[in-house]
Amino acid sequence: GAGVSQTPSNKVTEKGKYVELRCDPISGHTALYWYRQSLGQGPEFLIYFQGTGAADDSGLPNDRFFAVRPEGSVSTLKIQRTERGDSAVYLCASSLLSGTAYNEQFFGPGTRLTVL
Amino acid sequence: AQKVTQAQTEISVVEKEDVTLDCVYETRDTTYYLFWYKQPPSGELVFLIRRNSFDEQNEISGRYSWNFQKSTSSFNFTITASQVVDSAVYFCALSGANSKLTFGKGITLSVRP
Repeated sequence: GAGVSQTPSNKVTEKGKYVELRCDPISGHTALYWYRQSLGQGPEFLIYFQGTGAADDSGLPNDRFFAVRPEGSVSTLKIQRTERGDSAVYLCASSLLSGTAYNEQFFGPGTRLTVL
Repeated sequence: AQKVTQAQTEISVVEKEDVTLDCVYETRDTTYYLFWYKQPPSGELVFLIRRNSFDEQNEISGRYSWNFQKSTSSFNFTITASQVVDSAVYFCALSGANSKLTFGKGITLSVRP
């Protein structure tokens, strides 16, 4: 079956602009995660959804970042007033369920965001 | 707080050599999971293995093997008879009760022909 897909694959924007990054999880996966990977670093957790609700948004760096998952499937990560420091690869992952027993996460190819 | 340390940053070996990638973790959770992911140059993270905190049996899958030792909080990964296709960045990660993964900084493995 299809894996996790993310669009766009690359996004270049100017400082101060608004961007939206989309994630399509694996069909049937109820848990969805967003991570950010800066150059030379491991992915860092941003937020995760169980169904439609954000179960843990403790990794969002500030209030310019927001994510939604209105129907419990596709998710959109929204960044307002982008800054050069937001440049990174944004990774989405999904898992069948959340919780320690089933938390094998499958990752998408990522969206490379560049803020000029 | 959870923490994963991958002290090695870059390793270079010649094809057919064995190589071990180290991972040390910190957590206060009594139930937790450890993972290894591979990130080839294409960028997509590929799941390799999951191990729960109650299972200290070593595991072997083809040329890959994993050594989990709770006493030293380590979860090391060995590739036997390395191949050029093994060249990638390898991440160790930890998950506790809250599902989110905490990754190490990764180890860049280069396998030369």
